[in-house]
Amino acid sequence: DQQVKQNSPSLSVQEGRISILNCDYTNSMFDYFLWYKKYPAEGPTFLISISSIKDKNEDGRFTVFLNKSAKHLSLHIVPSQPGDSAVYFCAASGGGSEKLVFGKGTKLTVNP
Amino acid sequence: EAGVVQSPRYKIIEKKQPVAFWCNPISGHNTLYWYRQNLGQGPELLIRYENEEAVDDSQLPKDRFSAERLKGVDSTLKIQPAELGDSAVYLCASSLDRRASAWETQYFGPGTRLLVL
Repeated sequence: DQQVKQNSPSLSVQEGRISILNCDYTNSMFDYFLWYKKYPAEGPTFLISISSIKDKNEDGRFTVFLNKSAKHLSLHIVPSQPGDSAVYFCAASGGGSEKLVFGKGTKLTVNP
Repeated sequence: EAGVVQSPRYKIIEKKQPVAFWCNPISGHNTLYWYRQNLGQGPELLIRYENEEAVDDSQLPKDRFSAERLKGVDSTLKIQPAELGDSAVYLCASSLDRRASAWETQYFGPGTRLLVL
């Protein structure tokens, strides 16, 4: 039973355009959400996070939106750059559980 | 500042053989995690340490997996005997502490890619 779902295994966008990566969750107790970026042969690196008390968090080209009623969050990258090509993982924690639950990841390819 | 160090980076063994992975966390990080990432999946927590104490090992298959973190710094994860299904990337991570706000300070090592034949 997957509690964090990333239903798109891959996404391809043109350089300069917007990339939108989606994530759904089923556990209503989750109250903290994070996005990680992973390059091949490296460990995931933290990108951006959002608490359930907010609906938007922005950091440079990266913005995360949270829709609690829909149990959905998305990561927007604007403008996309070839260096953004990586696998992006959505992760969630909360409900008294002190661990992160990860989605399966979405592979983003930004074409020059 | 050095990141999380893991060794070996790659390991190929035959089934039923033992294997061990080593992790050196970031200096000063009290919390250490071992994750397993199967192909096409996200990382899944195996065990979490607070200093030298294993505080969450509910996902660790205890019949064949063991872990230790002597002196609250380095950690080893062992599989004995290995099975075909253990082929995965084993990631070590460390963070300052276990609070939700500390997730941003959770840093992952590059992982050990294990292939069991």
